Amino acid sequence: GAGVSQTPSNKVTEKGKYVELRCDPISGHTALYWYRQSLGQGPEFLIYFQGTGAADDSGLPNDRFFAVRPEGSVSTLKIQRTERGDSAVYLCASSASPGDTQYFGPGTRLTVL
Amino acid sequence: KQEVTQIPAALSVPEGENLVLNCSFTDSAIYNLQWFRQDPGKGLTSLLLIQSSQREQTSGRLNASLDKSSGRSTLYIAASQPGDSATYLCAVQGTTDSWGKLQFGAGTQVVVTP
Repeated sequence: GAGVSQTPSNKVTEKGKYVELRCDPISGHTALYWYRQSLGQGPEFLIYFQGTGAADDSGLPNDRFFAVRPEGSVSTLKIQRTERGDSAVYLCASSASPGDTQYFGPGTRLTVL
Repeated sequence: KQEVTQIPAALSVPEGENLVLNCSFTDSAIYNLQWFRQDPGKGLTSLLLIQSSQREQTSGRLNASLDKSSGRSTLYIAASQPGDSATYLCAVQGTTDSWGKLQFGAGTQVVVTP
């Protein structure tokens, strides 16, 4: 079946702009995760959803970052007033339930000029 | 706070040699440990998941061991091939307040030369 998909694959924006990154998980997976990866580093946890609710948002760096999953499937990561330090690859993953194997999408490379 | 370390950061071996990749973690209260492969500019591909109650997992040429009490996991790749060239990451999932999220190491970049 289809894996995790993310759109767009690349996003270039200017400092101060608003961006939305989309994640479409594997069908039937109840848990969805967002991570951020900087060059040469492992992914860093941002937030995870169980169903429609955010079960743990402790990794969001500040209140400019927000994520939603209104129908328990597709999720959108929203970043307001982008800063150059937000430039990274944003990865989404899903699992059948928390604790199961996480399957990752190809990521969205965000560049803030 | 859990810390995950992978040493070495980079490794180059000739084709046919066995690969040994190390992962260490500071808090032994983990739920499971997962090994991933990442190709340049790509997402992560899950290789193996070891539950905290398990000592090892095998899939084809890959074997991963887990020693939870000493905070170590090792990924063995037998008879390496140029197609094994990639970055390998380990990640631990904790219990209670770390439930659900993975804590990653920085990875080991592997090059297998023909």
